[in-house]
Amino acid sequence: ETGVTQTPRHLVMGMTNKKSLKCEQHLGHNAMYWYKQSAKKPLELMFVYSLEERVENNSVPSRFSPECPNSSHLFLHLHTLQPEDSALYLCASSQDGLAGALQQFFGPGTRLTVL
Amino acid sequence: SQQGEEDPQALSIQEGENATMNCSYKTSINNLQWYRQNSGRGLVHLILIRSNEREKHSGRLRVTLDTSKKSSSLLITASRAADTASYFCATDRSGSRLTFGEGTQLTVNP
Repeated sequence: ETGVTQTPRHLVMGMTNKKSLKCEQHLGHNAMYWYKQSAKKPLELMFVYSLEERVENNSVPSRFSPECPNSSHLFLHLHTLQPEDSALYLCASSQDGLAGALQQFFGPGTRLTVL
Repeated sequence: SQQGEEDPQALSIQEGENATMNCSYKTSINNLQWYRQNSGRGLVHLILIRSNEREKHSGRLRVTLDTSKKSSSLLITASRAADTASYFCATDRSGSRLTFGEGTQLTVNP
């Protein structure tokens, strides 16, 4: 509905598993983002890609590894996660501009549970 | 406190009443945005107000911005049960990066 899709919508994984989250945007935007949303906390920006180049990594643990093969696709590779990584992971896209941050379009999120 | 703090944290009203949520921020901004999130879903953009604007309307939404006080308010008039959601303000700090507050949980009772 918003032009940004995420798969899977729900994911349960053990601490030793490796999984990937996928995000796709159909809006022709040039910037994509990964956010983490935990209960009772503000959205945390994890990664930003602009024109397929990673421009920001907010000190995210290395067990989270992003990949942006083109301007429409964004992945988040997960390995050896901890239970505290359980959260809603949101992908967003926007048209990067010079006049400040513009409207971001969010996907529905992936609800991740780490056992 | 964090950039983009909403107040109150939770608000419960009856259908038909107006709902007002406030947001305060610390540093200078280019614009301020309001988003809505239904439980466990993605955020939906509601309205963007630029730093040189003081008030903006969109349907039943009215947003004000006071840059001297570093604050904004979101007013939802004639609320409906379907307006029940969390509402977030977001401020831009550099480039396209947005900083979100913790949100206000609005409950509109039928």
